[in-house]
Amino acid sequence: AAGVIQSPRHLIKEKRETATLKCYPIPRHDTVYWYQQGPGQDPQFLISFYEKMQSDKGSIPDRFSAQQFSDYHSELNMSSLELGDSALYFCASSLDGGTNYGYTFGSGTRLTVV
Amino acid sequence: KQEVTQIPAALSVPEGENLVLNCSFTDSAIYNLQWFRQDPGKGLTSLLLIQSSQREQTSGRLNASLDKSSGRSTLYIAASQPGDSATYLCASLGGGGKLIFGQGTELSVKP
Repeated sequence: AAGVIQSPRHLIKEKRETATLKCYPIPRHDTVYWYQQGPGQDPQFLISFYEKMQSDKGSIPDRFSAQQFSDYHSELNMSSLELGDSALYFCASSLDGGTNYGYTFGSGTRLTVV
Repeated sequence: KQEVTQIPAALSVPEGENLVLNCSFTDSAIYNLQWFRQDPGKGLTSLLLIQSSQREQTSGRLNASLDKSSGRSTLYIAASQPGDSATYLCASLGGGGKLIFGQGTELSVKP
């Protein structure tokens, strides 16, 4: 079965650079979510999109932005990177908001800022 | 605001033991509760999903229970194996429409 695909798997950037993370949800899933997991931390919700419209926003810095495109893939753009942005970034998708089938997560992108 | 807590934070057991991981949540108005497994530096693999109307779900050696009234869920692992070593996370889905995670239990099963 198709899963949630994230790219790249690993990314190394220098401070103040920009990074773009991509997510391809499971076909026919209508909602995409982005989470950030710092070292030793639980995943924290950043932002979500329902049918290509932003549906909810969590503790996402103003330096970050995201969008969902017409083909339903989503991108998380991170500018003016800081050392503290180093983390695992997960994308998840769901059908009907996850109420019946839960969320399916991708394998994540490990971002290292040096 | 929903808060999810997992106890213990870490657990080490010998191979073959049955064990229980605990998850508690402050707001009982949830749609469901999901248990995930995470290997070091890896993604989140869904293990079990319990709907708010259900009491338990089983998959192989795993059994998850849910008691909404007390705000608790448990994950029972039977006959543990070294391959079960990982971090186990529970997450609740409430009216806010997003999963809220606990901080996880890091399990080590010794051969």
